[in-house]
Amino acid sequence: AQTVTQSQPEMSVQEAETVTLSCTYDTSESDYYLFWYKQPPSRQMILVIRQEAYKQQNATENRFSVNFQKAAKSFSLKISDSQLGDAAMYFCAYRSNSGNTPLVFGKGTRLSVIA
Amino acid sequence: DAGVIQSPRHEVTEMGQEVTLRCKPISGHDYLFWYRQTMMRGLELLIYFNNNVPIDDSGMPEDRFSAKMPNASFSTLKIQPSEPRDSAVYFCASSPGPIYEQFFGPGTRLTVL
Repeated sequence: AQTVTQSQPEMSVQEAETVTLSCTYDTSESDYYLFWYKQPPSRQMILVIRQEAYKQQNATENRFSVNFQKAAKSFSLKISDSQLGDAAMYFCAYRSNSGNTPLVFGKGTRLSVIA
Repeated sequence: DAGVIQSPRHEVTEMGQEVTLRCKPISGHDYLFWYRQTMMRGLELLIYFNNNVPIDDSGMPEDRFSAKMPNASFSTLKIQPSEPRDSAVYFCASSPGPIYEQFFGPGTRLTVL
């Protein structure tokens, strides 16, 4: 079974600085998708970024980018120019491309942004 | 589109009572997921449906939990009888297909006294 590990339960960053959240996963498959979700205090789960495993290029969405290392099974999220609104729980998730498979979530990293 | 709609947003009930949580997925989405989130266990998948058919209910904690999807636009998660350890936030999510991200509802915060 696939597993997703987020080794940092909590992180903090100064406003306007850059922070990287770590995620590793375990799978024997070669075709899959990876996601980062953000959960602010409102509880709403919001998709931040998505990466297809067959793409070598790292996904980028404005201030959010990933470092996808397929061989190392690593999928870290970099947040540049951190803003107070970035404070939230961040979840890394994996989804296989084979058949009916759900998302597998990590335990999450709580990010605090210090003004 | 209104997104995934869940009701109620908050539910407080007493142990032993029946609780029904409701979800309306995004129109056109063939997949529907029910999750439970607690501090101790994180985000757990309870059950998911494809085209209204339950595909995997291995995450349902016990027989007190049941889920139905009578049509493409409505699903329920029922707990009968409820227990204090069922207190959690329950999320519904939908997806247009297996390779797409899931869109989450706002969640239902359930408190069982």
